[in-house]
Amino acid sequence: DGGITQSPKYLFRKEGQNVTLSCEQNLNHDAMYWYRQDPGQGLRLIYYSQIVNDFQKGDIAEGYSVSREKKESFPLTVTSAQKNPTAFYLCASSTPSGGGGYEQYFGPGTRLTVT
Amino acid sequence: AQRVTQPEKLLSVFKGAPVELKCNYSYSGSPELFWYVQYSRQRLQLLLRHISRESIKGFTADLNKGETSFHLKKPFAQEEDSAMYYCALRKGNKLVFGAGTILRVKS
Repeated sequence: DGGITQSPKYLFRKEGQNVTLSCEQNLNHDAMYWYRQDPGQGLRLIYYSQIVNDFQKGDIAEGYSVSREKKESFPLTVTSAQKNPTAFYLCASSTPSGGGGYEQYFGPGTRLTVT
Repeated sequence: AQRVTQPEKLLSVFKGAPVELKCNYSYSGSPELFWYVQYSRQRLQLLLRHISRESIKGFTADLNKGETSFHLKKPFAQEEDSAMYYCALRKGNKLVFGAGTILRVKS
């Protein structure tokens, strides 16, 4: 079950610490995304990257940072500035946007708990 | 602004009953809509897209531009349909998701 991998599955951190969530894909997709999934709020876009060395803020980027140094990797750092970091984080990648076959593929997620 | 609304947080039906998961959208232009599903302990995955006009696992969804809706339907629910369902609207190279509806199929 390759495609998109996220590690670790569960992550625990103390308040005030930065933490980095890993996301790797072997689908050769240019575009990658980070979402936050909270009960009753659906998926909210944190950051996305359409190509290596480029990324844009999503709807809730405050307190988060990303990098895209390689096509396969799109790590997300949850900084101490994020006021409510405890959540389930999903990474995705997508097929090219042209044509009718657009689809986003999702990783298994990382559940982050900050105490 | 582009928005997707799923008015029901939870929909509970009996096995064999019809199912309709509601989705309304706001979008100025020609929309491209999707339904994604997340079964227990599985990753989020595409269920169907409106441009394919296909039926997947007995589910269908018709785009109604007049009512700006893309409701997901199945005539006879099965227990294995229990999951979280998200409606999504394509916005360029991104998706805008609704809040999701939990479908529980009771035996």
